[in-house]
Amino acid sequence: AQSVTQLDSQVPVFEEAPVELRCNYSSSVSVYLFWYVQYPNQGLQLLLKYLSGSTLVKGINGFEAEFNKSQTSFHLRKPSVHISDTAEYFCAVSPSVGYQKVTFGTGTKLQVIP
Amino acid sequence: DTAVSQTPKYLVTQMGNDKSIKCEQNLGHDTMYWYKQDSKKFLKIMFSYNNKELIINETVPNRFSPKSPDKAHLNLHINSLELGDSAVYFCASSQDAFFDTEAFFGQGTRLTVV
Repeated sequence: AQSVTQLDSQVPVFEEAPVELRCNYSSSVSVYLFWYVQYPNQGLQLLLKYLSGSTLVKGINGFEAEFNKSQTSFHLRKPSVHISDTAEYFCAVSPSVGYQKVTFGTGTKLQVIP
Repeated sequence: DTAVSQTPKYLVTQMGNDKSIKCEQNLGHDTMYWYKQDSKKFLKIMFSYNNKELIINETVPNRFSPKSPDKAHLNLHINSLELGDSAVYFCASSQDAFFDTEAFFGQGTRLTVV
């Protein structure tokens, strides 16, 4: 079984400020990690994923995330946010073997303030 | 061209009715999914089909029956609708069913049962 915890349901941040969205997971098996973004009234779009290798993963739109196995975390960061980054962000995990069965966190709403 | 398209986008219906949501992908993917997002934004997988065969069924009530006439389509039929079925339903597809393939999501169908 696997689960994902996103402790912050909402994160307000001023435009051009840095942001970190937190994600912790638990799993009885090895997992792969993902961040998805959902803009209003749209489906989810993949931002980045960690499968193996370097623990620092770079994604689209200037986002990056760092996998920390000892802390079971996969926090998402961006050094300078834009108004257009306002959206819901979902952390997700999937077992590293077998069929893809993605488990999502409850999401963090990033609100960029002009 | 829309990669994963769902119809209808909005669906309002009375309790006890039977309804269907259609999904089509033009990406040539082998695997398709249905996810349910509840009012708290919690996103949970319901079904996964690979080449028209059911591979994941996450203890969804029998009132929900997916049907895949070909690998480009995965429709969701819901019988005897209940208030608790109100949610946003997302269809998704991926190249194959395994862990390292990105899932592409449709825009969602907001189902409201009154």
